[in-house]
Amino acid sequence: DGGITQSPKYLFRKEGQNVTLSCEQNLNHDAMYWYRQDPGQGLRLIYYSQIVNDFQKGDIAEGYSVSREKKESFPLTVTSAQKNPTAFYLCASNNFLSGTSGKAVSEQFFGPGTRLTVL
Amino acid sequence: EDKVVQSPLSLVVHEGDTVTLNCSYEVTNFRSLLWYKQEKKAPTFLFMLTSSGIEKKSGRLSSILDKKELFSILNITATQTGDSAVYLCAEGSNYKLTFGKGTLLTVNP
Repeated sequence: DGGITQSPKYLFRKEGQNVTLSCEQNLNHDAMYWYRQDPGQGLRLIYYSQIVNDFQKGDIAEGYSVSREKKESFPLTVTSAQKNPTAFYLCASNNFLSGTSGKAVSEQFFGPGTRLTVL
Repeated sequence: EDKVVQSPLSLVVHEGDTVTLNCSYEVTNFRSLLWYKQEKKAPTFLFMLTSSGIEKKSGRLSSILDKKELFSILNITATQTGDSAVYLCAEGSNYKLTFGKGTLLTVNP
């Protein structure tokens, strides 16, 4: 089965602890993304990676870190520097539309999400 | 700064009604406009639009893009309670998606 997996589904941590969220895809997509969603909000981009060993900050990168050592994997670490880490975290991946300039995003596939609660 | 604005933010209708959801965008180098449906879990893909004036349809849902006026609409006809969800639109350029805040649609029986 092709798809994106995230683990765990629910995660509880104490304040001040770092935590790493897993994201794996077997769709052979080049690009991967991490979003955060808070109640009543859309998706806000944390980090994204267009290719292995490269990644860029999104709109709300402070307090987060990522790595992209393999094409299939894009783990997100929520550090103790993140002031309000309790949220729903979504991982996504996609390829880009062929034949277009400016790299248009084609359909983006989402994982099931991880709900992080910091106590 | 690139921006995607959806309206209304929430909407309550009765089964059988027709609804129109709006999405306007202000982005440089526009490339694609995507619609997603989200029901208490990960968003599911509905449509991707890249050209003006070409309607995309899937059952009771349809969507169209106006690149001159910088907006898109999502229509749902003969709504059902199963259409209750948050509908997200996103603009896709510069290697990423920029999402609006979504429209919460509630369909009452």
